[in-house]
Amino acid sequence: SQQGEEDPQALSIQEGENATMNCSYKTSINNLQWYRQNSGRGLVHLILIRSNEREKHSGRLRVTLDTSKKSSSLLITASRAADTASYFCATDFAGGGGATNKLIFGTGTLLAVQP
Amino acid sequence: SAVISQKPSRDICQRGTSLTIQCQVDSQVTMMFWYRQQPGQSLTLIATANQGSEATYESGFVIDKFPISRPNLTFSTLTVSNMSPEDSSIYLCRTREGFHPQHFGDGTRLSIL
Repeated sequence: SQQGEEDPQALSIQEGENATMNCSYKTSINNLQWYRQNSGRGLVHLILIRSNEREKHSGRLRVTLDTSKKSSSLLITASRAADTASYFCATDFAGGGGATNKLIFGTGTLLAVQP
Repeated sequence: SAVISQKPSRDICQRGTSLTIQCQVDSQVTMMFWYRQQPGQSLTLIATANQGSEATYESGFVIDKFPISRPNLTFSTLTVSNMSPEDSSIYLCRTREGFHPQHFGDGTRLSIL
C-alpha cells in the first residue's frame, strides 16, 4: 500500500499546550499536505509544503519536511479546544513524468484538546 | 477558487441496490478524483476521472462495482453498485485546479442496511 503512516494515532492535550503529529511516507513526492477533518465532515486544507522546502509556517501551524527520511511533522502551537479534530497528511507523489496529482492519505491522528 | 457541490449529502440504502453520487464544480477542472473513507479510517483513492477518457481505478477497486462518469469538465458521478454493509462509508470527490489549493466536496455519508 502506498498509504503513509501517522503517529500518534491519538493525542490528548490540554488547551494551551503544543501538539505534534508525525507522518511517514514511502515514495518520492512532489509535495506533502496536511488536512483537518472535524467529526467525519469535509476536509479542510491546512498547509502544503513542496519537496524542495524544509519548513513552512501558517499562523499557529508549523510543518517540517525531511525528504531523506520520508517524513513530515505538523506542530500546532498554543492549542485550543476548537483544534479538536482528525489530522491527515497527504502526499502528492511523484511519478515518472512528475506530479501524479493523486493525493495519498496517511492513517491520521485524532487530536483531542481538553479545555 | 473552485466550489464543489456534492449530493446527496447522506443516504440510507438497502442491500443489493445502487446509488449514484454527483459532484458538480463551479468551474472547469481537468482532473477529478473519488475517495472512500470507511468508518474511523483514512481516505482511500478509488479512481481518477478525466473528461473524455475512462476512469483509472486504484488497486482493489473495479469499474463494475464503482462505475464513474465524467461527461464534461464540471461534473462527475460515482455509482456504488450492488451495495453491501461493507460499502457503508463517506464518499468524497476532489478536484485539482492548478498546483494549489486542493478542493474537496463535503462528502456523501452512505449507510447500507
